[in-house]
Amino acid sequence: EVQLVQSGAEVKKPGESLKISCQGSGYSFTIYWIAWVRQMPGKGLEWMGIIYPGDSDTRYSPSFQGQVTISADKSISTAYLQWSSLKASDTAMYYCARTRDAYNSPDYWGQGTLVTVSS
Amino acid sequence: QLVLTQSPSASASLGASVKLTCTLSSGHSTYAIAWHQQQPEKGPRYLMKLNSDGSHSKGDGIPDRFSGSSSGTERYLTISSLQSEDEADYYCQTWGTGTWVFGGGTKLSVL
Repeated sequence: EVQLVQSGAEVKKPGESLKISCQGSGYSFTIYWIAWVRQMPGKGLEWMGIIYPGDSDTRYSPSFQGQVTISADKSISTAYLQWSSLKASDTAMYYCARTRDAYNSPDYWGQGTLVTVSS
Repeated sequence: QLVLTQSPSASASLGASVKLTCTLSSGHSTYAIAWHQQQPEKGPRYLMKLNSDGSHSKGDGIPDRFSGSSSGTERYLTISSLQSEDEADYYCQTWGTGTWVFGGGTKLSVL
């Protein structure tokens, strides 16, 4: 069974750093891309970027380039999304999703990680 | 510019059928899209990939009640025999060179 299991909810202060994770199982992690998608409270879905764990090829949405870093550790089938300095506006639910090609439909989604940034 | 447009809301009665629409921006009539369902307080779930010719491939475990069709720049999701658990947000999604694009979503109410 294909699963993407994300790390738990986080509460952080502005300026703090954070790294959340997405662990894949039930499939060959290195041959599928992992995308990250943001959903702000009460809003729709926004694509942030994508990584190919096989060689760490990473692409970012222009809206998120320089704001976050996407990485992966294929040895433990895990992709990451990290911030070096959080802002209140980063408060959102973050989802990872698997796709066979970088620009295609994802066929499995993680359960989401809620990030709350508040002083 | 690649844009997907969805109506913000739709409603239909229990047991009835509903057809949701996702409209591609002009000049993008050959693009495939995907439909995703997001039930309240849950993560999205992939429903299907829908091609411009109306052919589609559904995700694992998606019931036959869900089907897709296409016409020009319009992509449709039809849900028949509506059940209470179909009350959800439905997002269409497509992709271009270097980007994914999501529609704004349609909130479906099952009356």
